[in-house]
Amino acid sequence: KAGVTQTPRYLIKTRGQQVTLSCSPISGHRSVSWYQQTPGQGLQFLFEYFSETQRNKGNFPGRFSGRQFSNSRSEMNVSTLELGDSALYLCASKDRTYEQYFGPGTRLTVT
Amino acid sequence: AQRVTQPEKLLSVFKGAPVELKCNYSYSGSPELFWYVQYSRQRLQLLLRHISRESIKGFTADLNKGETSFHLKKPFAQEEDSAMYYCALKSGAQKLVFGQGTRLTINP
Repeated sequence: KAGVTQTPRYLIKTRGQQVTLSCSPISGHRSVSWYQQTPGQGLQFLFEYFSETQRNKGNFPGRFSGRQFSNSRSEMNVSTLELGDSALYLCASKDRTYEQYFGPGTRLTVT
Repeated sequence: AQRVTQPEKLLSVFKGAPVELKCNYSYSGSPELFWYVQYSRQRLQLLLRHISRESIKGFTADLNKGETSFHLKKPFAQEEDSAMYYCALKSGAQKLVFGQGTRLTINP
């Protein structure tokens, strides 16, 4: 099976802009979770989607949003970017055993 | 609140020496714990979970509810074990709470 894919892999944006990141889960996985990874805060949970519904949400401001499509692909959007949003954004898809399979991440740099 | 603490940001040991990466957690319910590993230039991947009680790549981890710990151990370190290790707690049904990670370096 192909692994979790994320696009784009690298992104540079300026403050105030918005960005959309994409994640394609492993075929057959219906759950997709998003995490933010920074040197200071480590790995922090953003949200999780299952069958197009958000099931859980972390402690991030409303500028961070997401959605999931009927084919389980998910997108994450960040509006009004701030310098502190610079991070590696990881997507993970989950099978029934709860093992999460992580993608390579999208490295977002906000200047 | 759920929390995972990995007290060591960096750990360096010699090849062949025993390794122990510490992990402590706080969780009011019945915990489900995991160790994830990230090798250089590779994606984050599951190393082991406590419910499996398995040994992966020579690593084991025992859940100690009395001490609220889930330390990762290996009796004889190998150079290929050098990586970033994260302890994680399953919080509620769907999310993982991660520790800050420990960078393990095995010296030849």
